[in-house]
Amino acid sequence: QQLLQESGPGLVKPSETLSLTCTVSGGSVSSIPSYLTWIRQPPGRGPEWIGNIFYNGNTYYNPSLKSRVTISVDTSTNQFSLNLTSVTAADTAVYYCATQAVTTKKFDFWGQGVPVIVSS
Amino acid sequence: QIVVTQEPSLTVSPGGTVTLTCASTTGAVTISNLPNWFQQKPGQAPKTLIYSTNYKDSWTPARFSGFLLGGKAALKLSGVRPEDEADYYCLLYYGGAWFFGGGTKLTVL
Repeated sequence: QQLLQESGPGLVKPSETLSLTCTVSGGSVSSIPSYLTWIRQPPGRGPEWIGNIFYNGNTYYNPSLKSRVTISVDTSTNQFSLNLTSVTAADTAVYYCATQAVTTKKFDFWGQGVPVIVSS
Repeated sequence: QIVVTQEPSLTVSPGGTVTLTCASTTGAVTISNLPNWFQQKPGQAPKTLIYSTNYKDSWTPARFSGFLLGGKAALKLSGVRPEDEADYYCLLYYGGAWFFGGGTKLTVL
């Protein structure tokens, strides 16, 4: 059983960088056979897959966000992170971290989500 | 640009049956797209109902089933209960990336 918890600022100014961290407990990010994933959900809309990382550092990103997104993993702190540059109001959303099993591709565990507002 | 489409809203009576579908602008949805279905209730994170087309999560009630239908992914609810009222989202895999549908708001009335 893994527990995931997102953390980061709830308010980001336009054109700045949004940075979030997901802390994983109940398993080491370097050994759980899962893709470490970020998903967001704008208010009143459906979720959007942002991207994922495997513990070895391999990443995959949503093509529509690829130029602005970086996902990284820190095995020493058992965390993985999201950086999204040059944010606009369109990036306002609840941001979730989740794990996706490598073998079944099932999204097993989700964080509770953290709301982020982009506003000056 | 891959766009995944779902019925925006559906209404079903308690005890009834309803099928939600998930289509892609790229063409027919196949097992290679690893369709996932999620249920989301207000204020909660999405929860996996179905993965890889037709596999149920450990919590998924038997009345939910996933399959392919006419080039789309489909989610069928049989014997609908009031607690099934929720938003339902599909998710498809294309070459390393995943794409959510816009969601179906299911009303049980």
